[in-house]
Amino acid sequence: DAGVIQSPRHEVTEMGQEVTLRCKPISGHDYLFWYRQTMMRGLELLIYFNNNVPIDDSGMPEDRFSAKMPNASFSTLKIQPSEPRDSAVYFCASSWDYQTGELFFGEGSRLTVL
Amino acid sequence: GQSLEQPSEVTAVEGAIVQINCTYQTSGFYGLSWYQQHDGGAPTFLSYNALDGLEETGRFSSFLSRSDSYGYLLLQELQMKDSASYFCAHTGRRALTFGSGTRLQVQP
Repeated sequence: DAGVIQSPRHEVTEMGQEVTLRCKPISGHDYLFWYRQTMMRGLELLIYFNNNVPIDDSGMPEDRFSAKMPNASFSTLKIQPSEPRDSAVYFCASSWDYQTGELFFGEGSRLTVL
Repeated sequence: GQSLEQPSEVTAVEGAIVQINCTYQTSGFYGLSWYQQHDGGAPTFLSYNALDGLEETGRFSSFLSRSDSYGYLLLQELQMKDSASYFCAHTGRRALTFGSGTRLQVQP
């Protein structure tokens, strides 16, 4: 299996622009997670889906952030408008059952907002 | 609330044994996981404890005490390639919540 695939790997944009991050989970995994990693706040859960349905979005910072999962093989995280404080590495992860404690992470999307 | 505490940095020499501790507070708990992350890389799963006791996987072992809300990761026969950040994470009502990570430096 190819693993969790994220794109883009790097994104540099200007404040106010829309940013869309993409994720393809491992086939057969029912859970998909979006995490954000910064030096100050560590690895934070933003949202997770089960069978394409958002289960917990309480970690989404504000209305500027939105996430969708239109089908089992694709998810997007959108930031509109972006701000410098959104600069971080955004990880997508998938799992067949997170209660096993095992998530499979993608390589991450490093976002820089100028 | 949910929180995990682990030391920010640990230094050890090649061939040694190191233990990274993790204490947690959570209102719902299924188990404790450990992840490794090299600089610039993604977190990768190392181990999971749902029950009290020791789980061994090669050079790595992980321990959990649910009554003490405590766990640790034990790394034996340290190698230079073990230099990385190590995260504990508890599985609960909010899926996986990660600690802030322990940066391990292995010196020759």
